[in-house]
Amino acid sequence: KAGVTQTPRYLIKTRGQQVTLSCSPISGHRSVSWYQQTPGQGLQFLFEYFSETQRNKGNFPGRFSGRQFSNSRSEMNVSTLELGDSALYLCASSSQADQWNTEAFFGQGTRLTVV
Amino acid sequence: AQSVTQLGSHVSVSEGALVLLRCNYSSSVPPYLFWYVQYPNQGLQLLLKYTTGATLVKGINGFEAEFKKSETSFHLTKPSAHMSDAAEYFCAVTHSGNTPLVFGKGTRLSVIA
Repeated sequence: KAGVTQTPRYLIKTRGQQVTLSCSPISGHRSVSWYQQTPGQGLQFLFEYFSETQRNKGNFPGRFSGRQFSNSRSEMNVSTLELGDSALYLCASSSQADQWNTEAFFGQGTRLTVV
Repeated sequence: AQSVTQLGSHVSVSEGALVLLRCNYSSSVPPYLFWYVQYPNQGLQLLLKYTTGATLVKGINGFEAEFKKSETSFHLTKPSAHMSDAAEYFCAVTHSGNTPLVFGKGTRLSVIA
């Protein structure tokens, strides 16, 4: 069974550009959560989708957005990139709405560097 | 609001020695508690979790943790460290299955031969 797949693995963008990151959950999983990991702030929650609906949202500016498709694949978009957006972006997928009571799996992440 | 404090950003142990990574949490409701491990350039792998039931939780790779409500702690232990245990370890808390995880800052474990 394939794990959580995040693409691309590495990305370099220029300040002011926008970027889209993709997360393909494990087959059959309907919940996808996104986290940002930086050395200074650690792991911070961005948003979570379940069955194409955003169920939770973290404390990030509106430049950060996401969506989930009918096949459960999820994308997150960051517009007007800033140097501080450089981070490892992780997604986690789970089969159930009760994601942490069931098994949730993290992908390897997308390393975004903004220059 | 929930929070997690991991004491010690870096812990160094000798191979074969006891591993003890400390985690204290703050939660106004019964918590769900987790330990994750992250190897370089990798995502997070679940080591173990506590939701309800037995307070001593056994996980993968010989790790275990004990939920102590009176001390608001969930420390991670392993009797004998292996070189392969060198990684970063994160403690996390939530209060239900559909609310976000709140992570600690992480503890980097080094194992010395």
